[in-house]
Amino acid sequence: DQQVKQNSPSLSVQEGRISILNCDYTNSMFDYFLWYKKYPAEGPTFLISISSIKDKNEDGRFTVFLNKSAKHLSLHIVPSQPGDSAVYFCAASGAGNMLTFGGGTRLMVKP
Amino acid sequence: ETGVTQSPTHLIKTRGQQVTLRCSSQSGHNTVSWYQQALGQGPQFIFQYYREEENGRGNFPPRFSGLQFPNYSSELNVNALELDDSALYLCASSPQGVYNSPLHFGNGTRLTVT
Repeated sequence: DQQVKQNSPSLSVQEGRISILNCDYTNSMFDYFLWYKKYPAEGPTFLISISSIKDKNEDGRFTVFLNKSAKHLSLHIVPSQPGDSAVYFCAASGAGNMLTFGGGTRLMVKP
Repeated sequence: ETGVTQSPTHLIKTRGQQVTLRCSSQSGHNTVSWYQQALGQGPQFIFQYYREEENGRGNFPPRFSGLQFPNYSSELNVNALELDDSALYLCASSPQGVYNSPLHFGNGTRLTVT
């Protein structure tokens, strides 16, 4: 059973517009959520995180929103840049910092 | 600050063989985790080590084993390799005791089993 799901395998956005990546989870014990970005031939790079006690966290162009009642989180990138083109993974953890990842969304930002 | 480094970057093995992958954790990080990423999927948690002991394990068989050394570096050993073990193996480190600290990943070892 997939406890963390990213239902969109790919997303294409025009440069300068907003990118919205979505993620759903099923395990109520998850209390920490993260987004990672991955380029080919590199490991995942940490982008932004949010604790379950918050519903929004912002870092520059990146904002993560958490809706606990819907068990849903999203990553907003504004404005999108061609360098943002990568695979984005959402991840969740309960105690112990052991991450459960979604399947990833490939973002393509067109110039 | 030195990041997480993994070796080798690529490896080809034959079914039934054994393999050892290595990882040096980021400076100041004493917890090491290993993840398997199959093609087209997200990383899956294998196990985590802290103070040279395994303190968490995902849904992987016992032929996947690990070690952590006093300098916090780590090894992942896989015995009796199967074709489905072909994947990118990622090592990640974090500081223990820091609540909700993000993991920092290495660039991985690409294992191909033929």
